[in-house]
Amino acid sequence: DILLTQSPATLSLSPGERATLSCRASQSLGNYLTWFQQKPGQAPRLLIYHTSIRAAGIPARFSGSGSGTDFTLTISSLEPEDFALYYCLQRRDWPLTFGGGTKVEIK
Amino acid sequence: QVQLVESGGGLIRPGGSLRLSCAASGFTFSDHHMTWIRQVPGKGLQWLSYISDDTTFIKYAESVKGRFTISRDNGRNLLYLQMNSLRVEDTGIYYCARDLSPTLRAFDYWGQGTLVTVSS
Repeated sequence: DILLTQSPATLSLSPGERATLSCRASQSLGNYLTWFQQKPGQAPRLLIYHTSIRAAGIPARFSGSGSGTDFTLTISSLEPEDFALYYCLQRRDWPLTFGGGTKVEIK
Repeated sequence: QVQLVESGGGLIRPGGSLRLSCAASGFTFSDHHMTWIRQVPGKGLQWLSYISDDTTFIKYAESVKGRFTISRDNGRNLLYLQMNSLRVEDTGIYYCARDLSPTLRAFDYWGQGTLVTVSS
């Protein structure tokens, strides 16, 4: 199975700051990497798919990059509603696997 | 608008069975591959099973293979997950989600989830 390692586990930042979240895979994913945001009591929300394509309705401050085994989700300037959990998911091979998540919290 | 609504969760004894349903509306259900994903409350996400639009392609996570069965009724816009031989570790919130398109690998809409608790 492909292992996804997200880092850091927790990111403490202030509104307006830039957030950089990492997702590293145990083998190459091509560009089949997806990012989700999850808030307490809610289902995950699709942010980015195929590494860098923003889902419908996702603000431009969210961007994805990377290839192969190293991927990054960047939030250019944190808004209050961006403080949440973020998960990556690989769609390269079966079984599909998620990373353990990064919590972006208010500093 | 696109809606996915799960149902069928509840409290069940170890070894028991449950069937989850996911009712789809607001889109052409038969055009979309679908999946089940679960989450232990307070923990991460685990992919469980996937079914193509025409049911010809089905995949399972190793942890549920042989115990869970995914199926769909395109005429009734319903996705199912039959869960047998349930274990305590199957406890969690079960989400259904749809793939954006056959070529775009993106779970773009999710249901609100249904809670399954396996306990004696």
